[in-house]
Amino acid sequence: QSVLTQPPSVSGAPGQRVTISCTGSSSNIGANYDVHWYQQLPGTAPKLVIYANNNRPSGVPDRFSGSKSGTSASLAITGLQAEDEADYYCQSYDSSLSGSVFGGGTKLTVL
Amino acid sequence: EVQLLEFGGGLEQPGGSLRLSCVASGLTFASFAMNWVRQAPGKGLEWVSVISGSGGRKWYADSVKGRFTISRDNSKNTVYLQMNSLGPEDTAVYYCAKGMREFSLDGWFDPWGQGTLVTVSS
Repeated sequence: QSVLTQPPSVSGAPGQRVTISCTGSSSNIGANYDVHWYQQLPGTAPKLVIYANNNRPSGVPDRFSGSKSGTSASLAITGLQAEDEADYYCQSYDSSLSGSVFGGGTKLTVL
Repeated sequence: EVQLLEFGGGLEQPGGSLRLSCVASGLTFASFAMNWVRQAPGKGLEWVSVISGSGGRKWYADSVKGRFTISRDNSKNTVYLQMNSLGPEDTAVYYCAKGMREFSLDGWFDPWGQGTLVTVSS
């Protein structure tokens, strides 16, 4: 059971918009700690796609965006492409555990 | 471009020890914290440990506290993870990942190495 809760899977057709939620608690996201998002393509290492809630690293398409409110955060992907099919993980800090925590991951399928 | 390369994974028996290494290039190594994150087969990501750029501060996940030790040699641009008293639950791909500043518990990880597989089995 992960400290941050994500849906196991989401799907969308090419060109559509999908969102992936990440729900935490008062000891992590709700305590105003930042949320970061990673994309993991099959058989590869995770790659940072959103940092500090809503910032995109250089090279990440502007189709990726992030938001945070209360004890939750979301990753949105617009103009879905086949290359976006991957597992996505949210990450934050938990003051009760005194360490970084990840969501359980969400598998995005492009139909 | 920052690159991270892990070494040292393999098959170990329960109760045994392994030392992982991660060599970094393309950065001022001592300026950044370094993390270890693991991923059990078919499972999600689990943060394991972080060490500050100077090596003076170290934090561990409860699941490895007292068994794993993180260290670094800034003259060799290398961070280590000494893993003792290994159990089947430690079987995972272990990634090293660069932190965002000299020390941070709440920052992001970028980039990540390609990972090294540790299998604990008799």
